[in-house]
Amino acid sequence: SYELTQAPSVSVSPGQTARITCSGEPLPNRNAHWYQQKSGQAPVLVIYEDSKRPSGIPERFSGSRSGTMATLTISGAQVEDEGDYYCYSIDSSIYHRGVFGGGTKLTVL
Amino acid sequence: EVQLVESGGGLVQPGGSLRLSCAASRFTFNTYAMGWVRQAPGKGLEWVSTISATGDSTYYADSVKGRFTISRDKSKSTLFLQMNSLRAEDTAVYYCAKGHDSSAYYYFPDSWGQGTQVTVSS
Repeated sequence: SYELTQAPSVSVSPGQTARITCSGEPLPNRNAHWYQQKSGQAPVLVIYEDSKRPSGIPERFSGSRSGTMATLTISGAQVEDEGDYYCYSIDSSIYHRGVFGGGTKLTVL
Repeated sequence: EVQLVESGGGLVQPGGSLRLSCAASRFTFNTYAMGWVRQAPGKGLEWVSTISATGDSTYYADSVKGRFTISRDKSKSTLFLQMNSLRAEDTAVYYCAKGHDSSAYYYFPDSWGQGTQVTVSS
């Protein structure tokens, strides 16, 4: 079975572009989805099916996928964007299962 | 706005059982796949289980297969997770999560409840 790998942390200054990556073998064949989780709160979907943005999510959030890597980009990151970000996909290599990446802690300061 | 309210969590001894419930409202429950995701203290998210809109397809994480059972009651718009033979490593916040469409195979959560705490300890 495959895993999704994320860097543990990313730090940017306000207004800079933050890029959070997710790599794994399922990704060439499966969509990636991204979740934001702020401290003590439930996760929120910020990007689905690689690059689609749910209603209510700011335009500064965007996503892409190429080969074995998916990328979440926050253009002009704001202090309120701080939190943990998780990628998610489906792995059907051996048996069908959902897979989350390990999470990336974004610091904006 | 989608509303998902979990209940049924608590403290249980190793080997014990719990049944989690998730009351769904403000969307057509019968047309969406549903699932459970958990988060151990200080850890990341872990997918647990998914059920299709019709209830005829279910999937489980290897770590809970044979011990947990997901089900749904369309008349009550409620999702369940029956957890048996609980272990210390099952200690986590359990989130109920609505799928984006009816399929369990392509399930991904698009709305989440606030979670219910499950603690397995003697």
